Order: sequence, then C-alpha cells, then structure tokens
Amino acid sequence: SQTIHQWPATLVQPVGSPLSLECTVEGTSNPNLYWYRQAAGRGLQLLFYSVGIGQISSEVPQNLSASRPQDRQFILSSKKLLLSDSGFYLCAWSTETGISGYTFGSGTRLTVV
Amino acid sequence: GENVEQHPSTLSVQEGDSAVIKCTYSDSASNYFPWYKQELGKRPQLIIDIRSNVGEKKDQRIAVTLNKTAKHFSLHITETQPEDSAVYFCAATKEAAGNKLTFGGGTRVLVKP
Repeated sequence: SQTIHQWPATLVQPVGSPLSLECTVEGTSNPNLYWYRQAAGRGLQLLFYSVGIGQISSEVPQNLSASRPQDRQFILSSKKLLLSDSGFYLCAWSTETGISGYTFGSGTRLTVV
Repeated sequence: GENVEQHPSTLSVQEGDSAVIKCTYSDSASNYFPWYKQELGKRPQLIIDIRSNVGEKKDQRIAVTLNKTAKHFSLHITETQPEDSAVYFCAATKEAAGNKLTFGGGTRVLVKP
C-alpha cells in the first residue's frame, strides 16, 4: 500500500533562517506531488506541484521554492524565512493518470519567530 | 482558472440532526469533486468523492449530490455525531488541470451533544 511521510512535524525558526521540509512517498511510482499551505483557521493554498523529477510548477509568487530530486521525494525550501511564512504545510500525492483525490501527509506546523 | 465557493463557513448542529454544506464551482468542464474532513491539527482526509457522470453518491451517513447544470454540489451528513465535528473542504478539478484540486474555503462543523 502507498504511504506518505512528511517531516518534521513541528518547527520553530527565526526570521531570516533557511527552511527545508521533506516529503517522501512509498509504494507507488511517478506520483503527482503537491505542497499546500494552510494559515491558521484558513483554507488550503496550493504552493507547488510536480508531475515528475525536476518538473516543478509554482502557483503563487512567494519566498519559497520546491525541488523534486527523486521520483518520490519532494522538498520545500526557503533561503530566508519571513514571519508570513508561518503556517501548516501539507504535502500530498495523487496518481499520475486520470483525476483522483489526494492523500495528504501529516503536515509540518511552522512557526517563524 | 477554477473558483470554488463554499458555504456556510461555520455550521452548528445538534447531535442527531443533519448538516448540509454547499459548494459552487465556476468551470463547467470540472468533472471530479472530492470532499475532505480535517480534524483539529490533523491532515485533511478524503471522505467521499463524486464524478460528473453521477448525480448522487452515498456512504453510510454521508452523501454528496451534484448539479452540473447549476454548477454546485453538496455534502449531506445525517444523524450527526460529536465525532463529525471538524472542518470540511470541498474541491473541484478536471482532467486538463493535471489533477490540481481547487479547494473551497472550508466549513467548520460543530456537533453539539
């Protein structure tokens, strides 16, 4: 069966520090991968999605970047965090073919101080 | 692009009563509509979905209806229980969108015992 792992679960970082969040999927090949951000009490904002290694699409201009160095690995990064980067970050995957619902990772709660 | 509106933003019901959440979408080509439940501090989880070739789908106490002409779909929860308290998100996508889900803003449901 397929599983998705996301870490760390919580993170407190000072303004201006770098960020790296990692997400891996097991039990499937060529998944579509997604990074979402959820501000406190708010909806789900798509940040990046990827349909293959090295293929990243950005949905909103921001202080963040994403990379997909391996088929089942998706990384969210920032060189210098801003206070506004605080939120709940969720990785998700879906099958590469057709349309289907996502399976989300357990999320990373990032607080920038 | 697609735009999904969700109402109400909060919903309080008495245990045993029914709850209904409504979503409208803008892109008539959208053909897949999942619903997610997110408990406090947890990841969103897919609870039910419907495709455009079906008008209604049921799974125990939850059901989803779709009106393609009016471009709206609804989630119905019957015989609500305290464990139904959560935030519910609707979403929409189409094949040409590469399985990128557009989410509604969420509905916070509180079931009072």
